[in-house]
Amino acid sequence: KAGVTQTPRYLIKTRGQQVTLSCSPISGHRSVSWYQQTPGQGLQFLFEYFSETQRNKGNFPGRFSGRQFSNSRSEMNVSTLELGDSALYLCASSGRESYNEQFFGPGTRLTVL
Amino acid sequence: QKEVEQNSGPLSVPEGAIASLNCTYSDRGSQSFFWYRQYSGKSPELIMFIYSNGDKEDGRFTAQLNKASQYVSLLIRDSQPSDSATYLCAVNKGGSQGNLIFGKGTKLSVKP
Repeated sequence: KAGVTQTPRYLIKTRGQQVTLSCSPISGHRSVSWYQQTPGQGLQFLFEYFSETQRNKGNFPGRFSGRQFSNSRSEMNVSTLELGDSALYLCASSGRESYNEQFFGPGTRLTVL
Repeated sequence: QKEVEQNSGPLSVPEGAIASLNCTYSDRGSQSFFWYRQYSGKSPELIMFIYSNGDKEDGRFTAQLNKASQYVSLLIRDSQPSDSATYLCAVNKGGSQGNLIFGKGTKLSVKP
């Protein structure tokens, strides 16, 4: 079974720009979660999508948004980028069969200059 | 109090020894518990999960859960240099709460 894929792997943007990241979950998985990882804050939950609906949201500003398509692929968007948005953005998919094991993609490394 | 706490380390053990990694959590309603391994520059990789009190073994790894003490641990037997990584503890509250809450990780170094 193919794993979670994320594109692009690396991005460099400047302050004020916006960015869209993409995630394709493991085949058959309907839940996609997004996390931000920084050295100072560790892994922090952004949001979770299930069957095209946002089911949970973390404590991030409205500049961070996402969506999920009917094929379970998901995108997240960050508008008006700030220097502090530089991070590794990780997508995880889950079959949510029982205990919500989540499997991570390789991540997108975003650098904001 | 942080929701999930881990000793940041580094924890250094000699090759062949048992490495013991610990994690405490604050929400008594938490239902499932996960250990991830993250190599430098890579994404987290799921090692094990546990949801019942007691021990769960998988190869060289044993996860231990004590809900009364709100404590979960990971033992790595016969540690190898390739086990050197950061180990992340994560907790799921269950139900509609699909997100995992992560500790900041313990850096493990296994010396040859």
